[in-house]
Amino acid sequence: GAVVSQHPSRVICKSGTSVKIECRSLDFQATTMFWYRQFPKKSLMLMATSNEGSKATYEQGVEKDKFLINHASLTLSTLTVTSAHPEDSSFYICSVEPRGDSPLHFGNGTRLTVT
Amino acid sequence: AQSVTQLDSQVPVFEEAPVELRCNYSSSVSVYLFWYVQYPNQGLQLLLKYLSGSTLVKGINGFEAEFNKSQTSFHLRKPSVHISDTAEYFCAVSARAYKLSFGAGTTVTVRA
Repeated sequence: GAVVSQHPSRVICKSGTSVKIECRSLDFQATTMFWYRQFPKKSLMLMATSNEGSKATYEQGVEKDKFLINHASLTLSTLTVTSAHPEDSSFYICSVEPRGDSPLHFGNGTRLTVT
Repeated sequence: AQSVTQLDSQVPVFEEAPVELRCNYSSSVSVYLFWYVQYPNQGLQLLLKYLSGSTLVKGINGFEAEFNKSQTSFHLRKPSVHISDTAEYFCAVSARAYKLSFGAGTTVTVRA
């Protein structure tokens, strides 16, 4: 069964509003989660590393005030796209850092469309 | 830093024919290597991974890959593809556990 649950799978919002995407680790407690963004016909770009109980680590070029990450519990990380613009439209995917030698698990992604 | 180059952006192939997807990486340190598959509007599913040990890695759905350190390659192969193998395939590299850098992806289209 699924190891990582991501919600919602699709969301449409108006420019200027904020959207929250949830990523849940279902099988184990995860101190570290990752958020990726995927542009059409492009690869995944790591946006940030979400750390439970501390601030997220953002990759170069990613606006931390634009993409707010909260990792308030060992099973939940949220990504909030604030004051969304059409150029924020994309496919966002989260992943959970596994234990030991287990593979990296990904959520099924969230298709965000900003109108 | 690590980087990945997937040499083919699109690979059309006929059903039951073999397929090879090429991946080269660069890194100044030892790395872990992965292949993922993505179906439309879905997340990524791990096909296989190389962490250490045998350089020939077998994964799910009949895929395998060979790690070649001297050529810094990790090519993915399947001897006989099915229509259901139509998808996007990503090669990824990591020097630190599971913080991945992805290649640009290869679109595989299997035709009957």
